[in-house]
Amino acid sequence: SQTIHQWPATLVQPVGSPLSLECTVEGTSNPNLYWYRQAAGRGLQLLFYSVGIGQISSEVPQNLSASRPQDRQFILSSKKLLLSDSGFYLCAWTTSGTYNEQFFGPGTRLTVL
Amino acid sequence: GQQLNQSPQSMFIQEGEDVSMNCTSSSIFNTWLWYKQDPGEGPVLLIALYKAGELTSNGRLTAQFGITRKDSFLNISASIPSDVGIYFCAGRKIQGAQKLVFGQGTRLTINP
Repeated sequence: SQTIHQWPATLVQPVGSPLSLECTVEGTSNPNLYWYRQAAGRGLQLLFYSVGIGQISSEVPQNLSASRPQDRQFILSSKKLLLSDSGFYLCAWTTSGTYNEQFFGPGTRLTVL
Repeated sequence: GQQLNQSPQSMFIQEGEDVSMNCTSSSIFNTWLWYKQDPGEGPVLLIALYKAGELTSNGRLTAQFGITRKDSFLNISASIPSDVGIYFCAGRKIQGAQKLVFGQGTRLTINP
């Protein structure tokens, strides 16, 4: 069966510090991968998605970047965090094909102070 | 980005009551998905719908893909305390499209 992991689970970082969040998927190959951000009590905002190694699509201009160094690994990064980067970051994956349901990871709670 | 219109935004009910929430759009969708999110966790897929008019159940949950393909509803029967959480609808306009459009969520609170 497929599983998706995210780490760390929680992170507290000072403004101006770098960021690296990691997401890995097991039990599938060539998944589409996604990064979402969720503000407290709000909906899901798609940040990036990737259909393959090295292929990244950005949905909104921002202080963050994403990379996909391996088929089942998706990384969210920042060189200098802003206060507004605080939030709940969710990674998700889908299979390719017609009936491609999307599954989410457990999330990373990021607090920028 | 585009959002689905999900209502109600919040619900406060008594344990044992039935719940109904829905999502609407001005555009046609080919897939509807319903998720539940517990506090501090990622959303969990509850039901997936792929055909207009489709009615699908998962235990006490029932969801339908609207015949116009512009809406979907989710019903929960005989609510229990563990039903508390935020429910999201999501849609895909084209089968196999890479991105989902999400509703803003319905927060369900249950009084025991």
